[in-house]
Amino acid sequence: AQSVAQPEDQVNVAEGNPLTVKCTYSVSGNPYLFWYVQYPNRGLQFLLKYITGDNLVKGSYGFEAEFNKSQTSFHLKKPSALVSDSALYFCAVRPGASGNTGKLIFGQGTTLQVKP
Amino acid sequence: DAGVTQSPTHLIKTRGQQVTLRCSPKSGHDTVSWYQQALGQGPQFIFQYYEEEERQRGNFPDRFSGHQYPNYSSELNVNALLLGDSALYLCASSLVGQRYVKTQYFGPGTRLLVL
Repeated sequence: AQSVAQPEDQVNVAEGNPLTVKCTYSVSGNPYLFWYVQYPNRGLQFLLKYITGDNLVKGSYGFEAEFNKSQTSFHLKKPSALVSDSALYFCAVRPGASGNTGKLIFGQGTTLQVKP
Repeated sequence: DAGVTQSPTHLIKTRGQQVTLRCSPKSGHDTVSWYQQALGQGPQFIFQYYEEEERQRGNFPDRFSGHQYPNYSSELNVNALLLGDSALYLCASSLVGQRYVKTQYFGPGTRLLVL
């Protein structure tokens, strides 16, 4: 079955420290991977995506993510966290099988709490 | 450049009623996808519309139906509402593309409460 796992319900980090939000996936074919952020009572905002090429992808607001094919992971990272980064983060995968028109499979989400 | 818009923002219905949610895609986008996000969960794919046809469907019953208009806007209809249909309904738009993987951009959602 195709799935995305975000093993941590919540990640706590002090402002200025580096942060990592973990994501692993299980899909057939080459995956297309995405990170979205959701603020309270808001929709999802796109942060970054991995399609092919360099395993380190840079996105919005200083976020980056590292694709690791052997570990089937796509962890979200930021060198220095801000209090304003506190939000709910979702990892999503679009299976790369032909005929797939774009269905995204989401993880359960990870709440990031950045303390001043 | 207008992003994805959805209406209404909030809605309260009772069991057995029917509801219609609306979505206008981001300017220049031609594909609309609908997702259901239950409280504390990740979004679940309902279906996707392109060229006024349903192209792909997730694991949702036939009570969930949709429509896409020539201007690319879309509706999600849910019949015979159940308590379990209470959720945030998200619309996402994108450009269809065989060569490039297009990003889906989400609207703010419609929060549906079924009593």
